[in-house]
Amino acid sequence: AQSVAQPEDQVNVAEGNPLTVKCTYSVSGNPYLFWYVQYPNRGLQFLLKYITGDNLVKGSYGFEAEFNKSQTSFHLKKPSALVSDSALYFCAVRFSGGFKTIFGAGTRLFVKA
Amino acid sequence: GAVVSQHPSWVICKSGTSVKIECRSLDFQATTMFWYRQFPKQSLMLMATSNEGSKATYEQGVEKDKFLINHASLTLSTLTVTSAHPEDSSFYICSARDQGTSTEWRQFFGPGTRLTVL
Repeated sequence: AQSVAQPEDQVNVAEGNPLTVKCTYSVSGNPYLFWYVQYPNRGLQFLLKYITGDNLVKGSYGFEAEFNKSQTSFHLKKPSALVSDSALYFCAVRFSGGFKTIFGAGTRLFVKA
Repeated sequence: GAVVSQHPSWVICKSGTSVKIECRSLDFQATTMFWYRQFPKQSLMLMATSNEGSKATYEQGVEKDKFLINHASLTLSTLTVTSAHPEDSSFYICSARDQGTSTEWRQFFGPGTRLTVL
């Protein structure tokens, strides 16, 4: 079955420290991979995507993600966390050539000052 | 960036009544809109995909007669929860895609509508 896993419900990190939010996927073919962030009372906002090319993708607000095909992972990273990064993060997979997007369960990030 | 709005942002209704949720793309034309349902601490679950001017495609397990979707224009889609029951209480999110190429099209999300059925 096609699926996206975010193994951590919550990630806690101190401000200024690096952060990683994990995502693994199980889909056939070559999927497109995304990260979105959700703030309270606001719609999901696009952070970054991987379609093809360089495995390290840079996105909005200083976030980046590394695509690892052998491990079927697409972890989100940021070198130095900010308190304002605290939010709910979703990893998502879209099937190439299609419209359907599968979302992970989400990981809540808490950045402590 | 492109903006998608939803109205209302929250609604409380009595069991057995119907509720309509509107989703609008404010500054772009959305050929396709998606409706998701989000449960607490769970992922977004795709309910249906609607294309302007045609019938919506529902995901397996979603009752098309209960969740009526209309996509009458390139900027408006509506979700009507008919004869709502407490188990329909949830957070409903719409999303619209822009008219990019097959590899580059983008998906924009509304802020969601919290439905509570008493």
